[in-house]
Amino acid sequence: QVQLVQSGAEVKKPGSSVKVSCKASGGTFGSYPISWVRQAPGQGLEWMGGIIPRFGTTTYAQTFLGRVTITTDESTSTAYMDLSNLRSEDTAVYYCTTERLTGPIWGQGTTVTVS
Amino acid sequence: EIVLTQSPGTLSLSPGQRATLSCRASQSVSSTYLAWYQQIPGQAPRLLIYGASSRATDIPDRFSGSGSGTDFTLTISSVEPEDFAVYYCQHYGSSPLTFGGGTKVEIK
Repeated sequence: QVQLVQSGAEVKKPGSSVKVSCKASGGTFGSYPISWVRQAPGQGLEWMGGIIPRFGTTTYAQTFLGRVTITTDESTSTAYMDLSNLRSEDTAVYYCTTERLTGPIWGQGTTVTVS
Repeated sequence: EIVLTQSPGTLSLSPGQRATLSCRASQSVSSTYLAWYQQIPGQAPRLLIYGASSRATDIPDRFSGSGSGTDFTLTISSVEPEDFAVYYCQHYGSSPLTFGGGTKVEIK
């Protein structure tokens, strides 16, 4: 069964960037899409973008175009989400998620605080 | 983009009652790619149902999913104290992933 393990919490200054990692273990990495979803305090779930590792093809939500970059390293089965020009409204928990025949699988979440 | 609308926004129930949560899509959704989650504050979403009606691993059978096309339902046959939480539906399988706004199940 695939598991996704994310990097630890981050505290960042406004205007800076953050890079969150998501390492997959226990299954095939390259063929399945990986997405990033965030949840601001007290709010719902918001899709940011996704990638298919084997092909490197990415799609991004309009809201984040120009500020987010999603990449993968197949050699380490790790996905990355880089968010730039951070503002206070980017304070949120960031999740990576992928899917298998048995449904979506989520990482544990990474809290990013912009202050 | 598929817009998912959940209702009601809040459901007030006593333990032992039946909960019926609705998720309506703006266009037809393949049942293969409709999921339901439970979220307790401070925790990641927990997958309950995938493929509209398949229970995820270790999910109690009081949780069931049904529906097709544009109308989907999550039912909790008899609400337990640990079921008071926020529930989300999700469309996956193609970008963009979309989520409903959530239904809060609270203690009456």
